[in-house]
Amino acid sequence: ILNVEQSPQSLHVQEGDSTNFTCSFPSSNFYALHWYRWETAKSPEALFVMTLNGDEKKKGRISATLNTKEGYSYLYIKGSQPEDSATYLCAFTAAGNKLTFGGGTRVLVKP
Amino acid sequence: SAVISQKPSRDICQRGTSLTIQCQVDSQVTMMFWYRQQPGQSLTLIATANQGSEATYESGFVIDKFPISRPNLTFSTLTVSNMSPEDSSIYLCSVEDLPGIGYNEQFFGPGTRLTVL
Repeated sequence: ILNVEQSPQSLHVQEGDSTNFTCSFPSSNFYALHWYRWETAKSPEALFVMTLNGDEKKKGRISATLNTKEGYSYLYIKGSQPEDSATYLCAFTAAGNKLTFGGGTRVLVKP
Repeated sequence: SAVISQKPSRDICQRGTSLTIQCQVDSQVTMMFWYRQQPGQSLTLIATANQGSEATYESGFVIDKFPISRPNLTFSTLTVSNMSPEDSSIYLCSVEDLPGIGYNEQFFGPGTRLTVL
């Protein structure tokens, strides 16, 4: 059974502040690490797929880093805005396998 | 990318009854996936539905409880049978972007929020 953990489970951020949170995953048989954003009553939206150790990806004010040797990824939100409020999911895949999701980090940005 | 719709978007059901959830994709896809997220839990794969063959179920999920149909390349249904309060979850369908080429990225439907009383 693959263990994908996200921490914290939830966090409150003041508008304009930056924040980050973690996804940890098995460091063996790594194939890809995915980040999704899931807003209430909407479809989960793919943010990044990361495949190489040391990968850094950026999309607007959101960025992510990847360390496959130690099995973790960070997601950063710079200058948080209320529209960033969502649950952020990471998902791990080993080669040829399905996605295994973490429990998510619920982010609430307060105006 | 793919656009996926689900029906119903939410429902409240009595225990012992069954609910069928529909998933429609705007393009032809080989595989469709069904997930659920119980309260406070991770998004968990229930089964993979291929057109023209039996669905493949993950450990802990059985066909009698979650029968799946896949009549064509753009549509699938998941039935939650003989429901109990433990079946209260968000159920999502998804399809894979660039199957066999990409990294298993998925496009998801908006989900069906099921409450069982």
